[in-house]
Amino acid sequence: GESVGLHLPTLSVQEGDNSIINCAYSNSASDYFIWYKQESGKGPQFIIDIRSNMDKRQGQRVTVLLNKTVKHLSLQIAATQPGDSAVYFCAENIGNAGNMLTFGGGTRLMVKP
Amino acid sequence: DVKVTQSSRYLVKRTGEKVFLECVQDMDHENMFWYRQDPGLGLRLIYFSYDVKMKEKGDIPEGYSVSREKKERFSLILESASTNQTSMYLCASSLLGYGYGYTFGSGTRLTVV
Repeated sequence: GESVGLHLPTLSVQEGDNSIINCAYSNSASDYFIWYKQESGKGPQFIIDIRSNMDKRQGQRVTVLLNKTVKHLSLQIAATQPGDSAVYFCAENIGNAGNMLTFGGGTRLMVKP
Repeated sequence: DVKVTQSSRYLVKRTGEKVFLECVQDMDHENMFWYRQDPGLGLRLIYFSYDVKMKEKGDIPEGYSVSREKKERFSLILESASTNQTSMYLCASSLLGYGYGYTFGSGTRLTVV
């Protein structure tokens, strides 16, 4: 498969463990955040989003935490599975009417069987 | 199932050729985007459009142009392909306004030889 990024930070976890992927954002005006998952050779897929009036949002096996004080976003994946192996991107919206997202560089998650 | 469809998964073109990358979305989204993705550089915005016949330059528009004659279709044009345009090209769409995620296509891997 195609490599999305050769110089990405990499997180390696054991199957069944929980994974935590972090993202720092720089603009204090950002108030909408999204996590995307990109598998090798595919386009990014929406996982979960959160607005700045929330600190936490849960989905199926995923939780996003937002700490506005330190401008930090994290994605937690419970009971990580081999199918979770991918590159994960955070994105932020600075709140302009044109809905422009700014994407982070991504983190590669590798799940060991 | 809503979709962003990119016409080709893989393309090989010769230097100097004019190349058309096509993207169609069926979600009645106003915004459409073209990104390129390269190892170590993440997602870089080439052009975007928020309405039919409207286009705005992104971060790296040089060597590219776009066309949006219909709401559902956004075409990326490489006027004279060069080897440094070898890349993964991603199309995305979203609703207009604030706080909407993007839906991405599966990508077109373009190789210019």
